[in-house]
Amino acid sequence: GAGVSQSPSNKVTEKGKDVELRCDPISGHTALYWYRQSLGQGLEFLIYFQGNSAPDKSGLPSDRFSAERTGGSVSTLTIQRTQQEDSAVYLCASSSVAAPTNEQFFGPGTRLTVL
Amino acid sequence: AQSVAQPEDQVNVAEGNPLTVKCTYSVSGNPYLFWYVQYPNRGLQFLLKYITGDNLVKGSYGFEAEFNKSQTSFHLKKPSALVSDSALYFCAVRDGTGRRALTFGSGTRLQVQP
Repeated sequence: GAGVSQSPSNKVTEKGKDVELRCDPISGHTALYWYRQSLGQGLEFLIYFQGNSAPDKSGLPSDRFSAERTGGSVSTLTIQRTQQEDSAVYLCASSSVAAPTNEQFFGPGTRLTVL
Repeated sequence: AQSVAQPEDQVNVAEGNPLTVKCTYSVSGNPYLFWYVQYPNRGLQFLLKYITGDNLVKGSYGFEAEFNKSQTSFHLKKPSALVSDSALYFCAVRDGTGRRALTFGSGTRLQVQP
């Protein structure tokens, strides 16, 4: 596909369970970002990958959150021992390079609901 | 630290009238400013950006934005609103150094009435 894709589109889980969210960036894009959009809130940066460089994890809210990017393409965001406050829409974005002038292209998001 | 403020949670405008969605920012160094739009159950779509040069930037769907350095503002405008413009609009900023992630405002819901 031409755009950023994310799966699943919706995820309902029970408190305490682990979840994995997947992002497929636009082919050839070297920079990949994860954001979180909570109800009524703006977007909160979580983590950023650029090529083979060490990821910028400065936005991760706790050590229950982690992310990987395999082969410089697909990324997985993992939330361990989910809490109700983790309920949000998780958005992935990619850009061709990490230059500050480059716009990011967003996927449709994964809506996570923790019961 | 960089920040973005969108002072209006919602803007209501009649179809055919001009619209303005306000955004102010705070950043060290030169700002790179972006507007995104989010339609229901969809991801964010890029509208336009200011990098340097002309203070009036033109973007998708007839939108434009005016960069004002002295007022640290980057208001989104359109001369004639359409009902289909109704959506959630986000302003975002990043600076030329440091973290590459965007800092977003809280969003403004635009409601265009027929």
